Amino acid sequence: IAGITQAPTSQILAAGRRMTLRCTQDMRHNAMYWYRQDLGLGLRLIHYSNTAGTTGKGEVPDGYSVSRANTDDFPLTLASAVPSQTSVYFCASSDGPGYGYTFGSGTRLTVV
Amino acid sequence: AQSVTQLDSQVPVFEEAPVELRCNYSSSVSVYLFWYVQYPNQGLQLLLKYLSGSTLVESINGFEAEFNKSQTSFHLRKPSVHISDTAEYFCAVSPLRASGSRLTFGEGTQLTVNP
Repeated sequence: IAGITQAPTSQILAAGRRMTLRCTQDMRHNAMYWYRQDLGLGLRLIHYSNTAGTTGKGEVPDGYSVSRANTDDFPLTLASAVPSQTSVYFCASSDGPGYGYTFGSGTRLTVV
Repeated sequence: AQSVTQLDSQVPVFEEAPVELRCNYSSSVSVYLFWYVQYPNQGLQLLLKYLSGSTLVESINGFEAEFNKSQTSFHLRKPSVHISDTAEYFCAVSPLRASGSRLTFGEGTQLTVNP
């Protein structure tokens, strides 16, 4: 089934550890995004990529990095996790303006 | 830049009652408009979208939304809700003809349908 796969589904991480959240799509969409969802704050954009080889910062990029080596994969890395990064992380992709996003099922991350 | 305001953070209703979830937006350019639904412990799913043409758009499960350009609104309605409609609903906009297709989301409205 075409869509977005995120891994892991959930993770408990010790503060200070490095962690990479994986995101893979099989729809050949050019644009990909990472959001975090926190209660009362809605969805906030962390990083985005309009096409393979390019990335950009969203509204809450600090403490996160991304890469886009190819069309399908868009990993999100937390270099040194802090408790404020406890959240649900969603990866999404889009085929262009007007198509909206396809979302993955999310990664629930708890930093302790 | 765009912004989206969902006027109600929580909407409790009884089963079979009508419901309206309100969404206003602000943008200096023309936009596409979307409603997404998020069921518990799941990702967001596209419910319906307005691109152009008729200002009333419908989803397959009975929801409809009307684009009102003069009021910059895109309210979501359903004449009779079911328990299974309990979910969080997000309104979103994206600018026409922008590089990339970034959506700006509202903060969400939790719809709870009670028996």
